[in-house]
Parts: sequence; C-alpha cells; structure tokens
Amino acid sequence: GENVEQHPSTLSVQEGDSAVIKCTYSDSASNYFPWYKQELGKRPQLIIDIRSNVGEKKDQRIAVTLNKTAKHFSLHITETQPEDSAVYFCAARNSGNTPLVFGKGTRLSVIA
Amino acid sequence: NAGVTQTPKFQVLKTGQSMTLQCAQDMNHNSMYWYRQDPGMGLRLIYYSASEGTTDKGEVPNGYNVSRLNKREFSLRLESAAPSQTSVYFCASTENLNSPLHFGNGTRLTVT
Repeated sequence: GENVEQHPSTLSVQEGDSAVIKCTYSDSASNYFPWYKQELGKRPQLIIDIRSNVGEKKDQRIAVTLNKTAKHFSLHITETQPEDSAVYFCAARNSGNTPLVFGKGTRLSVIA
Repeated sequence: NAGVTQTPKFQVLKTGQSMTLQCAQDMNHNSMYWYRQDPGMGLRLIYYSASEGTTDKGEVPNGYNVSRLNKREFSLRLESAAPSQTSVYFCASTENLNSPLHFGNGTRLTVT
C-alpha cells in the first residue's frame, strides 16, 4: 500500500520568510495529493491540492509542486504570517478504491 | 448546512467500558471515514465506508467496530476501551474516494 513520508516534523521561520514542507510517496499509481492545515484544537482543513496531470498549482501565497518521476511533492508558503502557524499534513491517494494516506505532519511556527 | 457533526466532543472512560462515537454528514456524501490522531503520528485511518452498505478496515482497526447506519451516519464503537485508545477521533466524509475530505470537529477520548 501507499506510504507517505513528510519532512521536517517541525519548522520555525521568521515572519515574512518562506516555508517549504516536503513529502515523498511510494505508490507510483498515486494521482491525488492534498495538503491540510490544522490549527491548534481545530479540525484539519484542505488548503490546496494537486492532481498528477499538473506539475504546480498556486493559490495566493500557497503553492504545491509535484515531481512524479521522483515521487515527491512540496508545499511552499511565501511571505509567512503568524496566522500560518499550524500543523500541516500532506496526503496521497491512487486511482484505485483506496482512501487517502497521510504524512505524520509538520508543525510550522512563524515567529513575529 | 452543518457539514460533518460528531458527538460527543469529549468523553472519559474507564478501562473496559464501551461507547459509541456518532458521526453524521448533511452533504449527501457517499464515503465516510474514522481517523485517530495521536501526537507525532499524524492521522491514521481506523475504518472507512466507501458507500452505503460497505465498510473496510484501515490502518489501525483493532479494538474498533463501525456501522454505516445509512448514507448520513457512520458510527464508531469501542467494545472494551483500553488506555491505548486515548486519542482524538475525527470523522470525515467525501463525495467519493477521489474528492477532498471534510472533517468533523473531533472527539477527545480519554481512557483511564
């Protein structure tokens, strides 16, 4: 089955700097890669996703890149703000009848 | 439109007690899931129901049972609670297995 590795487990950046979180996956058939943000005490919420027919997707300060050959995908947050502080989860799923598999999460702290 | 509703929000059990966590969604989604979240372990799938009338094991099903009561409701039962089941439990739903997950607000369970 699918296995998703996420790095780093914790990340601290200064406000205004960029943050990058990386994930690798094992199943070459995977074709859907979402990212979820979980604020303290809240539920995870989808912030961006990408499908395997594109290499990059942007939404304001957030972007996701996908390298299918290397089987890795990354979340990029530019001009970080204190409200970006949260735990971020990557996930992957193949086209079969299987649910999402999540990485273990990255705790991002944006220091003002 | 409440989305995904979980009850209760908090629960304390003694070892050996049983309980059922309730989940309902009002988005007419076909697929529903139960995850547990533990520090440093990410979101691990317990059971899921791809469609009404079907249930399948996830990554960590031992000690749990589920019932897909109808299209809206998917319950998780602990027959004999153990301290290792202390966790935050999230229910989620998707239109289908290739759609984004919508999470409930979670149930914080403590087993003493």
